[in-house]
Amino acid sequence: GENVEQHPSTLSVQEGDSAVIKCTYSDSASNYFPWYKQELGKGPQLIIDIRSNVGEKKDQRIAVTLNKTAKHFSLHITETQPEDSAVYFCAATFGDSSYKLIFGSGTRLLVRP
Amino acid sequence: DTEVTQTPKHLVMGMTNKKSLKCEQHMGHRAMYWYKQKAKKPPELMFVYSYEKLSINESVPSRFSPECPNSSLLNLHLHALQPEDSALYLCASSLQGVNYEQYFGPGTRLTVT
Repeated sequence: GENVEQHPSTLSVQEGDSAVIKCTYSDSASNYFPWYKQELGKGPQLIIDIRSNVGEKKDQRIAVTLNKTAKHFSLHITETQPEDSAVYFCAATFGDSSYKLIFGSGTRLLVRP
Repeated sequence: DTEVTQTPKHLVMGMTNKKSLKCEQHMGHRAMYWYKQKAKKPPELMFVYSYEKLSINESVPSRFSPECPNSSLLNLHLHALQPEDSALYLCASSLQGVNYEQYFGPGTRLTVT
C-alpha cells in the first residue's frame, strides 16, 4: 500500500548544529521525492527535491540523499538557524499515477538560539 | 514567480451555507490540486485537475465540488459541510504531473459551525 514513514516526529537542535530527518517509502515505483517546509499559518514550501536517477542533491545548507535499494531518503540541514524552525514533510510519488504525492507525517524542528 | 494565490484566507460557514474557495496561478501550470490539512497532520489529496479535466477524485464526499474554469483558476464549492470538515484547504499546481515541482498556496482556513 501507499505509505511514507518519517522520523523523528520532533527534533530540537542547538543553533549551528546539523539536523537530519529520515523517510522510508513502500512503493518501489516511486521516482520523485520532494521536501516541504511549513511555517505556522502558511502553506508548504518546496525546499528541495530529488529524482530517482540521482543519489544526492545539495542546495547551500540543505542536502537530500536517496537510497533506492533501501527505499529511504533523508534531509540534512547544516549550520541550523532559528528561522529553520518549522514542520518539515517528506513526500514520494505513488505508483503509476504521476499526479499523486504521499506525504510523511511531518517533523517539527526547533532550533534553539 | 512561483506564486499560487488563494481566497479567502479565512472562512466561517454554517452547515447549511454554500460557499466557494478560489485558487489562481499564472505560472502556466497545467495540473492543479486541492488538499485538505488537519492540524498537526500532512496534507491529504482531494482532487487533481490535469489540462482542466478532473483526473483524480480521492473518494471525496459530494458536499465538496471542484471546478476548473480555465487553466489558471481552480474553485472548490462547498455545501452542507459538517464540523469535521473544518481544516486548512490548500491549493497547489505543477507544470504537468506530480513529477514536476508542486507549489502550494497559503491555504484557506475553514471553520464549519
